[in-house]
Amino acid sequence: DVKVTQSSRYLVKRTGEKVFLECVQDMDHENMFWYRQDPGLGLRLIYFSYDVKMKEKGDIPEGYSVSREKKERFSLILESASTNQTSMYLCASSLQTGHTGELFFGEGSRLTVL
Amino acid sequence: AQSVTQPDIHITVSEGASLELRCNYSYGATPYLFWYVQSPGQGLQLLLKYFSGDTLVQGIKGFEAEFKRSQSSFNLRKPSVHWSDAAEYFCAVGPSGYSTLTFGKGTMLLVSP
Repeated sequence: DVKVTQSSRYLVKRTGEKVFLECVQDMDHENMFWYRQDPGLGLRLIYFSYDVKMKEKGDIPEGYSVSREKKERFSLILESASTNQTSMYLCASSLQTGHTGELFFGEGSRLTVL
Repeated sequence: AQSVTQPDIHITVSEGASLELRCNYSYGATPYLFWYVQSPGQGLQLLLKYFSGDTLVQGIKGFEAEFKRSQSSFNLRKPSVHWSDAAEYFCAVGPSGYSTLTFGKGTMLLVSP
């Protein structure tokens, strides 16, 4: 089975801190995604990546950056955390050419910024 | 731009009763359509998907969905709901298998005894 692992399930950070959210997948998927989930707003795409060292902005990239140095790992970075970034962050991966559209999700990282 | 509307924020269904969750999409070409489920504290899991062919698709856990192009809808159904079906359900649309998906805002299903 595909496994997408988000290393931190719960984080509490202070305003202005730099935050790293790590995601690792074990199925050699080309595509990786970071979504933000908020009540009443559903899932919103922050960034995605089709290949190592490649990244594309999603719908809400402001205040975030990403890094993909290895195929299996996709990191989300909050350079200076703010309270409005308190949210659930979901990482997902998928095959490049499978045309299945199936995203495999991690269990999420719930971030609280104080 | 593609968009997805799930008109119902919450739905309460009695255990054993039938269920229908609504999803309407806006997309210029033939869409790829998906339903995902999220149990409390978990990530999302794919229930079913539609790409082409038979407009009635079967998924896991006894769910099915019907694609109706004329109504731009992809409603999720289950004939008899179990308490374990209580979760949040997301409809999503995308242009192809590997491109990005647009998700609806979700419908929270509550199951009463």
